Amino acid sequence: GEDVEQSLFLSVREGDSSVINCTYTDSSSTYLYWYKQEPGAGLQLLTYIFSNMDMKQDQRLTVLLNKKDKHLSLRIADTQTGDSAIYFCASGPGGGSYIPTFGRGTSLIVHP
Amino acid sequence: NAGVMQNPRHLVRRRGQEARLRCSPMKGHSHVYWYRQLPEEGLKFMVYLQKENIIDESGMPKERFSAEFPKEGPSILRIQQVVRGDSAAYFCASSPPGQGPDTQYFGPGTRLTVL
Repeated sequence: GEDVEQSLFLSVREGDSSVINCTYTDSSSTYLYWYKQEPGAGLQLLTYIFSNMDMKQDQRLTVLLNKKDKHLSLRIADTQTGDSAIYFCASGPGGGSYIPTFGRGTSLIVHP
Repeated sequence: NAGVMQNPRHLVRRRGQEARLRCSPMKGHSHVYWYRQLPEEGLKFMVYLQKENIIDESGMPKERFSAEFPKEGPSILRIQQVVRGDSAAYFCASSPPGQGPDTQYFGPGTRLTVL
């Protein structure tokens, strides 16, 4: 079945850039998503990218997609303590299906 | 416009009891999705409902779990005869009609603990 893998933890210093990586297996994925989950809260959609794009930038967030290697990354520039959260990568299959497959999440810890 | 509402936020049940989780979608949203998040796992899809219809329940366990989304009122996820393995966070998401998963809005979740 479909699978999405991401590392479990990332620790960075405030002001540095954070890069969270993700790999997926479903080559028919149409959408690739990044969600943010703060403690005790639901998931908030941060950004998504269509599979025919290589890059998408939105303020401090940059998403890079390497479709050949099925690799997705989320770069957060000038990381702040408020960015500390769990970040989920998800792939949205094509072919008329609509339910994303989620990774296990990467806990981003930002040190002052 | 209030977001997706879920209640209760925390629910404690003893083994063998029933758990009822409620989800009120955002105003104007007619599609509801339920997901389960086990400790240190990603979200797993359970069921997709539209008003009075179950569209896809391929992620629902075959026994003890059921879901409904009546014409009036919230969507309900019901777990009968709970077991410890049901302890998880259950998230509901909603989306407007005619739009896909990029427009799913998530609720804060219900954290179920089975003693």
